[in-house]
Amino acid sequence: GQQVMQIPQYQHVQEGEDFTTYCNSSTTLSNIQWYKQRPGGHPVFLIQLVKSGEVKKQKRLTFQFGEAKKNSSLHITATQTTDVGTYFCGQEVTGANSKLTFGKGITLSVRP
Amino acid sequence: NAGVMQNPRHLVRRRGQEARLRCSPMKGHSHVYWYRQLPEEGLKFMVYLQKENIIDESGMPKERFSAEFPKEGPSILRIQQVVRGDSAAYFCASSPQVSEPQHFGDGTRLSIL
Repeated sequence: GQQVMQIPQYQHVQEGEDFTTYCNSSTTLSNIQWYKQRPGGHPVFLIQLVKSGEVKKQKRLTFQFGEAKKNSSLHITATQTTDVGTYFCGQEVTGANSKLTFGKGITLSVRP
Repeated sequence: NAGVMQNPRHLVRRRGQEARLRCSPMKGHSHVYWYRQLPEEGLKFMVYLQKENIIDESGMPKERFSAEFPKEGPSILRIQQVVRGDSAAYFCASSPQVSEPQHFGDGTRLSIL
């Protein structure tokens, strides 16, 4: 079956540091979606990437879709304590009935 | 515009009982997805429904679990004869169209005694 790789599972940074995480797939994707889940909360949609090489920004967050549409990255500039949470990527394989396969996520903690 | 509504938020059942989890999608959304999440684990896809039809149930256990999304009313995830291993958070999400972003509910935390 489809493999969604998000490593590492945990990352700890000092407030103000930059942070980058990656999401890799074993298959070509039709689109990729990123979600954030705060402790005790529910996943909240952040962004969707569709085109090869696409880059989208949301304030301090930058999302990129790989040229081969098999991987994606999330970069946070100057992390803040409000960035704490688990970031999931959801992958949709072409022709897969809109079903998203999620990785285990990366849990980010930020030291003030 | 209310978001995805799930109830109950917390559900406690004894082994062997039935658990019914309800999900009302956002207004205008006809696609509903159910996920299961264990502590410190990712979201595991269970089933995808579109009004009265099950589109993909590849993540559903073969026994004891069923889901429906009737023409009127919420989507229901039903777990019969619950066991301790069914304890988890169950999230429902909805989207307006295929391949569009999913909006999640607050989840139902199911505990089995």
